[in-house]
Amino acid sequence: AQSVTQPDIHITVSEGASLELRCNYSYGATPYLFWYVQSPGQGLQLLLKYFSGDTLVQGIKGFEAEFKRSQSSFNLRKPSVHWSDAAEYFCAVGPFGNEKLTFGTGTRLTIIP
Amino acid sequence: ETGVTQSPTHLIKTRGQQVTLRCSSQSGHNTVSWYQQALGQGPQFIFQYYREEENGRGNFPPRFSGLQFPNYSSELNVNALELDDSALYLCASTNGLDQFFGPGTRLTVL
Repeated sequence: AQSVTQPDIHITVSEGASLELRCNYSYGATPYLFWYVQSPGQGLQLLLKYFSGDTLVQGIKGFEAEFKRSQSSFNLRKPSVHWSDAAEYFCAVGPFGNEKLTFGTGTRLTIIP
Repeated sequence: ETGVTQSPTHLIKTRGQQVTLRCSSQSGHNTVSWYQQALGQGPQFIFQYYREEENGRGNFPPRFSGLQFPNYSSELNVNALELDDSALYLCASTNGLDQFFGPGTRLTVL
């Protein structure tokens, strides 16, 4: 069975500092991996996705993620966070495309001045 | 191009009642998926509809059912509501390339 683990429930980062959110997955075949962001009262917005090819993928809002098959990880990074990045971040894995996804429990990001 | 819309925004029901949630998919998208997001949790896949047929189901009981209409809009029906059904229900539509989520319907069961 597929699963996603986001070990950090809550992370606090100073504005302008770098960010890394961790994601580990368990999947029997080639994984299709995603990061979504959810602001309070909002739906999910896709930040980036990995299907194949280059293991470092670029997304919107200055985010990037690196797929490491040997570590079963797909960590999200941003070199300098902005106050508007405060939100809940979800990692997800799916069988094909971005349908029927299995999500992690999320990491809540707080930004301090 | 309109995005994915859901109605109603909020809903309060009592245990044992039935509820219907609605979703209008993004223009050109023929596949709709429904997810349940309990408080403090990630979304869980309920089921998917493709061209009016159920196309995959997660670990949810039969009292969760759905419909998809010829215009690809969709409904989620939940019978015999339980307290644990309180959650944010998200609809997502896809054309096979990109999936877009609606803002969700917040269901509270008392």
